Amino acid sequence: AQSVTQPDIHITVSEGASLELRCNYSYGATPYLFWYVQSPGQGLQLLLKYFSGDTLVQGIKGFEAEFKRSQSSFNLRKPSVHWSDAAEYFCAVFRRFGNEKLTFGTGTRLTIIP
Amino acid sequence: EAQVTQNPRYLITVTGKKLTVTCSQNMNHEYMSWYRQDPGLGLRQIYYSMNVEVTDKGDVPEGYKVSRKEKRNFPLILESPSPNQTSLYFCASRSREELFFGEGSRLTVL
Repeated sequence: AQSVTQPDIHITVSEGASLELRCNYSYGATPYLFWYVQSPGQGLQLLLKYFSGDTLVQGIKGFEAEFKRSQSSFNLRKPSVHWSDAAEYFCAVFRRFGNEKLTFGTGTRLTIIP
Repeated sequence: EAQVTQNPRYLITVTGKKLTVTCSQNMNHEYMSWYRQDPGLGLRQIYYSMNVEVTDKGDVPEGYKVSRKEKRNFPLILESPSPNQTSLYFCASRSREELFFGEGSRLTVL
């Protein structure tokens, strides 16, 4: 069965600083990977996705993520965070056969300090 | 506008009082799913539906029912809600590999 681990429950960074959120996955085949963001009181918005090809993918709001097969990782990065980036971030892996469901990590809550 | 609509957005109810959370999508997606979100647990799938009249259990189906009589609608039914079903619920529909989520329904069972 597939699984996703987000080892950081809560991260605090200063506005303007760089950000990296970690995500490790377990899946028996080539994964489809996603990052979603959830602002307070809101639903989930897709930031970016990886299916194949270039392992560095660009998303919305200036985010990018790098797929590293050897490390089973799909870390999310942003060179300079803004106060509006404060939210909860979820990594997810898509199971392509059978249920074809999206399995989520437990999330990382990002706090931005001035 | 493409969207997934859930109602109600907020609900406080009491143990044992049946309730239904509706979900509707306007994107003609075949696949729909319900998730619940709890602190520290992320999102867990409750039920899913591959198409009309085809539904199956996800990871945490106990205490829930669903139906899929038409493509656009996928209601979640709590026949006898209990306090451990207090949670934030999300409906989603899928286009290929991407899930589109509703805005969520926050349910409190007293």
